[in-house]
Amino acid sequence: SQQGEEDPQALSIQEGENATMNCSYKTSINNLQWYRQNSGRGLVHLILIRSNEREKHSGRLRVTLDTSKKSSSLLITASRAADTASYFCATANTDKLIFGTGTRLQVFP
Amino acid sequence: DVKVTQSSRYLVKRTGEKVFLECVQDMDHENMFWYRQDPGLGLRLIYFSYDVKMKEKGDIPEGYSVSREKKERFSLILESASTNQTSMYLCASSPPGQREQFFGPGTRLTVL
Repeated sequence: SQQGEEDPQALSIQEGENATMNCSYKTSINNLQWYRQNSGRGLVHLILIRSNEREKHSGRLRVTLDTSKKSSSLLITASRAADTASYFCATANTDKLIFGTGTRLQVFP
Repeated sequence: DVKVTQSSRYLVKRTGEKVFLECVQDMDHENMFWYRQDPGLGLRLIYFSYDVKMKEKGDIPEGYSVSREKKERFSLILESASTNQTSMYLCASSPPGQREQFFGPGTRLTVL
């Protein structure tokens, strides 16, 4: 069952620009997580935000969570070509995660 | 450095063959998961395990089975491979309590 939906499906930007990806979900959650996947590889965990948190930072990443709207956003500031990847949100209210379909980010040098 | 390894990066099998995909983690995690990933569909959970010898069906268990005889190893079995099982298979592990999952590099399986 698909819980999260990312928007946009694809995003192309120049190096140095900011990239914003959005995630919407349907049911109550304990936390929401963001993952990154380089082409043909496994996923790497980026950041976890709990349902009682509204904003969280990690390096160039900023995540917000609005539980009233059931939505989250991931902001990558000052993007680099190496940020080119697919980004997935995943929601948790049990030990299982439910993943969205992802946003493909392309950062041009 | 934590690690989840999968037995093969690429695998080509014939329809009807029995296929074993192995996953090993070195983090002493209780939870282990098998997903398949297809374009436009994201990651879908096939099976997961909370403990040794314990398994639970995920969203798409049909055509698959699993085995967890040791804590560090979680195997996915395709009893009789079919072409619609051509996909990227991802294994993950996590500690209990809705924590982050650690993923292996994936196995791209092609069934001819």
